[in-house]
This record gives sequence, C-alpha cells and structure tokens, in this order.
Amino acid sequence: AQTVTQSQPEMSVQEAETVTLSCTYDTSESDYYLFWYKQPPSRQMILVIRQEAYKQQNATENRFSVNFQKAAKSFSLKISDSQLGDAAMYFCAYGGRSTSGTYKYIFGTGTRLKVLA
Amino acid sequence: DAGVIQSPRHEVTEMGQEVTLRCKPISGHDYLFWYRQTMMRGLELLIYFNNNVPIDDSGMPEDRFSAKMPNASFSTLKIQPSEPRDSAVYFCASSLGNRETQYFGPGTRLLVL
Repeated sequence: AQTVTQSQPEMSVQEAETVTLSCTYDTSESDYYLFWYKQPPSRQMILVIRQEAYKQQNATENRFSVNFQKAAKSFSLKISDSQLGDAAMYFCAYGGRSTSGTYKYIFGTGTRLKVLA
Repeated sequence: DAGVIQSPRHEVTEMGQEVTLRCKPISGHDYLFWYRQTMMRGLELLIYFNNNVPIDDSGMPEDRFSAKMPNASFSTLKIQPSEPRDSAVYFCASSLGNRETQYFGPGTRLLVL
C-alpha cells in the first residue's frame, strides 16, 4: 500500500530565511505524481506545487521549489525568502494508480510552519 | 470561476440525527472527491467520483455514510445516524482529470453532540 510520511510535525523559520519541509513516500508504482498543499488558518487547501514522477526536473513555483529524489522516494519542499503569509499547515500528497486499477490519493499528516518576524 | 462550493459551512447536530453535506464542483471538472479531516487521522479520502459514477469508496468509514452525485454539478455526503466521532471538517474537491490538481472547497465543519 502507498504511504506518505511527514516526519516534522512543526517547523519554524525566520522571516526572509529559507526552510525545507520533508516528505517521504512509499509506492511500488512507477507512474504517479506528488503535490504540496498549504492550509492556512482559514482552512482552505491551496495547491503550492506539483511534480510528475516521470519528470526528472524539479518543479519550481516562484519562491517554492521541490527536491524530488525518486530513487529515495523523497519529495521535500523548499521555501525561500519566507514571508509571514507562508505560515500554515503544509501537506505532502501522493496520487497514483493502485494495484486494483483505481487511483489512490494519500495525504501526509502535515507540517505546521511558523514564520517568525 | 466561483471555485468549489460547499454548504453548510458549519453544522451542529445531535447524535442520531441525519446530516447532509453538499458540494458543487467547478464547472467542467469530471472528478469529485470527498475528504474528512480530523486531528487524529489527518486528511482522509472517503470517496471519489468520475463523471458522476463512484469509483472508489474504500475510504467510507461504515454504512452510516453514503455519497451521491446525481449530476455533474452536485454531490451530497450523508451521515445517518450521526455519531460524535463523526465530528470533523469535511472537504469536497474537484479536478479535471484524475492526475490533475484537486481544487478544494472551504470545508464543512461538523460537530455532533
């Protein structure tokens, strides 16, 4: 079965600094994709960045980038020049076909990011 | 675009009552997902539909939960009878294709007393 693990329940970063959130996953599938979602106090889930497993190039979206290590099954999120508005819960998520043929969508337990002024 | 719309935003009910949560996906999206978020279990996928047809309901906790999608623009998640352990935030999300970004609604916070 597929799993997603976020080992850091909480992280803190100074404003304008860089922080990396960790995520590991487990799957026997070769065709899948990975996401990072942000959930601010408003509770709204917002997509931060998306990575297709077949793409070797790491996805980048403005100040957000990922380090995708397929062999190690690692998918970390780097936030550069952290801003107060980045404070939120961050979820790593996996989507891919299961052995039954249906797609499975699995979210990690989340990392709460605090940004210090 | 209005985004995914969920109603109600908050629901307080008593144990044993029927609860119906509603969702309107983004127009044109062919996938609709229902998730439940709790402190203990995190974000769990309950069921998802493709073109109004349920594809995977293996996440539905028990027979008290049921979901329907009578047309492309409306889905319901029903709990009957409700129990205190059903208290959670329920999210609906939709996407255009099963590999694409899921867009989440604002969620319904359910409290069962």
